[in-house]
Amino acid sequence: DTEVTQTPKHLVMGMTNKKSLKCEQHMGHRAMYWYKQKAKKPPELMFVYSYEKLSINESVPSRFSPECPNSSLLNLHLHALQPEDSALYLCASSPISTGNTDTQYFGPGTRLTVL
Amino acid sequence: GENVEQHPSTLSVQEGDSAVIKCTYSDSASNYFPWYKQELGKRPQLIIDIRSNVGEKKDQRIAVTLNKTAKHFSLHITETQPEDSAVYFCAARPGDMRFGAGTRLTVKP
Repeated sequence: DTEVTQTPKHLVMGMTNKKSLKCEQHMGHRAMYWYKQKAKKPPELMFVYSYEKLSINESVPSRFSPECPNSSLLNLHLHALQPEDSALYLCASSPISTGNTDTQYFGPGTRLTVL
Repeated sequence: GENVEQHPSTLSVQEGDSAVIKCTYSDSASNYFPWYKQELGKRPQLIIDIRSNVGEKKDQRIAVTLNKTAKHFSLHITETQPEDSAVYFCAARPGDMRFGAGTRLTVKP
């Protein structure tokens, strides 16, 4: 398996809802990432997990809560989001986190709309 | 931290022509430079990358050149085809990967 998968593909939620985004990879990669991408903008890094431990949190609001249950899975729990949080949420993985030359492979993303 | 600038923001070429996109970076420690292609509504897909110990890399119609002294790298697409139309992002790392702002390439048939 050489792909990163994400579910759901689309998600519409209200500002009081709690939802979760899921990401999975079976390439044996030990680093996983969450990015947020607004329309016509590049991906912005949110979180990095290295060996299932959170290594980087790019000052993301607490209404976004990441979780890495094991080396293949990455979740992003969402609670009390704002309409400006509507975006494409991309998951990526790479062989290791601290290496300077590790290629990141992206999942297809979850298109999130907050009403 | 790393700052990556990308030019042009939009590029329109005729089918069969060449396209060149340029990026500059600020962190002299950066040693990995990938290029991603993103079609509308799709994921960013790695199309080519280069490491700092190499000055040029080619894969069929796509090539990337790196000038470490000047801190810039470029993507070259030859014999462009309509299916090359997409947004292209450059990026640089060590550490966190920082993306350029993107170039929207349109190849007119």
